[in-house]
Amino acid sequence: AQTVTQSQPEMSVQEAETVTLSCTYDTSESDYYLFWYKQPPSRQMILVIRQEAYKQQNATENRFSVNFQKAAKSFSLKISDSQLGDAAMYFCAYRSATNAGGTSYGKLTFGQGTILTVHP
Amino acid sequence: NAGVTQTPKFQVLKTGQSMTLQCAQDMNHEYMSWYRQDPGMGLRLIHYSVGAGITDQGEVPNGYNVSRSTTEDFPLRLLSAAPSQTSVYFCASSYQQGIGASGNTIYFGEGSWLTVV
Repeated sequence: AQTVTQSQPEMSVQEAETVTLSCTYDTSESDYYLFWYKQPPSRQMILVIRQEAYKQQNATENRFSVNFQKAAKSFSLKISDSQLGDAAMYFCAYRSATNAGGTSYGKLTFGQGTILTVHP
Repeated sequence: NAGVTQTPKFQVLKTGQSMTLQCAQDMNHEYMSWYRQDPGMGLRLIHYSVGAGITDQGEVPNGYNVSRSTTEDFPLRLLSAAPSQTSVYFCASSYQQGIGASGNTIYFGEGSWLTVV
């Protein structure tokens, strides 16, 4: 079974600065997807960025980028030019790309989450 | 395009009562699932379905039932509510097979806040 670990329960950053959230995972699979979801106080789950494991290039979405280290099983999220609206809980999640028996493909395994505070 | 719709958004139950959380999606996704989110923890999978008529248990299935009679709907039933089931519940859906980048993404409803007293 896969596990996802976020070792930083809380992080803080000054507005306009850069912050990096850490995520490690454990899997025996070679093909999978990794995601970062943002959850504001409304509890809505908002997809921030996704990474396909077969791609060596790190994904980037505007101010958000990842550092994907497949051998180290590490998937960190970097937020540049932090804004007050970035304050939220952030979850790292793993999804298998192997459709084993048609049952595992859609499952997401989540980390425990990191609360990000942005100071003005 | 409504995406994933959950109802109700808020509910208070008494211990022992039963209720159903509704989930509907209009994206023709084969895969649907229910998660619960408790304080200090990530989302945990309760039940999932890979298509109409097919369901299976996730990580924390006890006390919950599901059925999938149509592609669009995936209700979650609490059989006899307990205080330990106080949580925020999320329904999610996705394509079974990746279809381009968006096919890999799992879409979430807005959550249902359940309190059992």
